[in-house]
Amino acid sequence: DTAVSQTPKYLVTQMGNDKSIKCEQNLGHDTMYWYKQDSKKFLKIMFSYNNKELIINETVPNRFSPKSPDKAHLNLHINSLELGDSAVYFCASSQEGAGGLDTQYFGPGTRLTVL
Amino acid sequence: AQSVTQLDSQVPVFEEAPVELRCNYSSSVSVYLFWYVQYPNQGLQLLLKYLSGSTLVKGINGFEAEFNKSQTSFHLRKPSVHISDTAEYFCAVSRMNSGYSTLTFGKGTMLLVSP
Repeated sequence: DTAVSQTPKYLVTQMGNDKSIKCEQNLGHDTMYWYKQDSKKFLKIMFSYNNKELIINETVPNRFSPKSPDKAHLNLHINSLELGDSAVYFCASSQEGAGGLDTQYFGPGTRLTVL
Repeated sequence: AQSVTQLDSQVPVFEEAPVELRCNYSSSVSVYLFWYVQYPNQGLQLLLKYLSGSTLVKGINGFEAEFNKSQTSFHLRKPSVHISDTAEYFCAVSRMNSGYSTLTFGKGTMLLVSP
């Protein structure tokens, strides 16, 4: 029983394409996140949702649009993919709204390669 | 602004030797500190966290960290490492953002344990 799952695990696509990454958590958590980890392993938060509402948007380009259909799911859609979007994207979840203090549980990551 | 500096990008060590991974933070307000571990091709997993109370925090897998306010440090230690401890270790600080707290990660330290 995977706590936080992401699909797909690998995604290879051409520049200019539109792609989506899906995330699901079965922990009953209220808050979900998207992180981007670049080639130097630097991890940076992109978005955070609490009970389906966007609460944090860290100056991410408009081409990135998160969607939370319900508390257990947070998807990430990326339009007009660019080379610089190549990275590993991690989904995470935590129990409460003050997610920074609660333990965050991470998914296995989606490795996106833009050619 | 709150930030985290991990002074070593890579720490090689022999099996059964002690190890210390260094982390310094900067913060102008109350600070909450975390260590996460990322095993190869996996998501991050919480090792331990400091929110308040005792400055010596014990975590999973025999790791511990000490919060030192005067030196603004939160170094991670283990008295005897195993091959299986080979992983990337991230120090993180919680910061407030739009009324919610989020994690700001350091750039990571790769712990390489050899026989």
